[in-house]
Parts: sequence; structure tokens; C-alpha cells
Amino acid sequence: GQNIDQPTEMTATEGAIVQINCTYQTSGFNGLFWYQQHAGEAPTFLSYNVLDGLEEKGRFSSFLSRSKGYSYLLLKELQMKDSASYLCAVRGKAGGYNKLIFGAGTRLAVHP
Amino acid sequence: EPEVTQTPSHQVTQMGQEVILRCVPISNHLYFYWYRQILGQKVEFLVSFYNNEISEKSEIFDDQFSVERPDGSNFTLKIRSTKLEDSAMYFCASCGLASDTQYFGPGTRLTVL
Repeated sequence: GQNIDQPTEMTATEGAIVQINCTYQTSGFNGLFWYQQHAGEAPTFLSYNVLDGLEEKGRFSSFLSRSKGYSYLLLKELQMKDSASYLCAVRGKAGGYNKLIFGAGTRLAVHP
Repeated sequence: EPEVTQTPSHQVTQMGQEVILRCVPISNHLYFYWYRQILGQKVEFLVSFYNNEISEKSEIFDDQFSVERPDGSNFTLKIRSTKLEDSAMYFCASCGLASDTQYFGPGTRLTVL
């Protein structure tokens, strides 16, 4: 079966750091993606990991451990505009045409 | 920066009617997808399309659904006879040959009454 788990909600303070975890159990693995989704809008690509380790992109970093079926998204220097849902998605098979399987998303609220 | 576009942004229809949702993928992309998101739920895969044929479809994508790339730019999703439970946000996405990333359009909110 396919299962992707992430916390439902998190809150954090402006300027702080927050880590959003994702665990997955899928029949195959060929990459893990993080997307940001503001309410009523489309998912926007944030980061992609296919090998173990940390990928850093400005204020956002993402980590992957394939042996543990675990990833996290780290957001630094939080801003109010970072209040959104963060979606963890796994691609089960290699090849650009292959589907993404999404978790339910983590709703992050950033407060002053 | 190139982006995926979708029309209409909002479609209201009566149960049993046919709807066509339209997408223009990023111009040099070769892989196309439709996903849907029922309000408050997760994004779900419907269908992927490559080289003018369906690559994969989910169990949601039954005989009431079809996809087409009628010309070099548009990619459409047709629902033949809409049901109340088809009410959702429908997202088109595309992916290029040299990239592993799927880019999403702004979505069409479909409301079936």
C-alpha cells in the first residue's frame, strides 16, 4: 500500500525555525517533493530529494533518509507569508511521467 | 517565467451535464497530468499522459472521464456526466524531459449542483 504521513497542523512564531516531518511507505521510491499550497491556490514546488541528505534552497531546506522512509522540510526566518499548507509527495517509480502520491498536508500558522 | 494555465477558473454545472476543463502546459513539456483536490482533502492523482496516450490512470478515472490533447498546446479533461461528488479543484500539471519536477496550474474549481 501507499501511505504518507505528516502532522496535520503546526504553529510557529515569525522569525523562528520550524521543521515539518514526513514519513512514507510506498511500493517504490524515486524522489520526494515538497510543495507549498496557500488556501484556494495551486501547489507550488519547493524542493526535491532523491538521494539521502540535505538540500538547501535559501530559507528552505529538505532532508531525506530513504532507509527510514523519512523526510523533513526546514523553514528558517519564518515570515507571515509562510502561513500555508506544506505537502509532502512521493514519486513511486522512475520516469517523468509517473504520478505523485501526496500526503494530506501540514497546515502551518505563523504568528507575530 | 513560463507557467501552466487553466480555464475556466470556476465552473458551475448541473448534475449529469458534461464539462470540459482546459489546460495549457508549459510549452516544451512532454508529460501532462490531472489531479483533483476535494475541499479539505489531499491532492489525488487522476491521470498521466505522454506521447499522445494515457500512461497511467487511477481508480477515480473511470469511464466518465477522458483526456485529450487536441492540438499542440491544449490538454483537456472531460467529465461526461457529472456527479455531485465530482465537485473539487482540478489541477493540471506538466513536467519537462530534463526535469523531474511537476509544475501545477492554478486550478479549476468545479461545482456540481
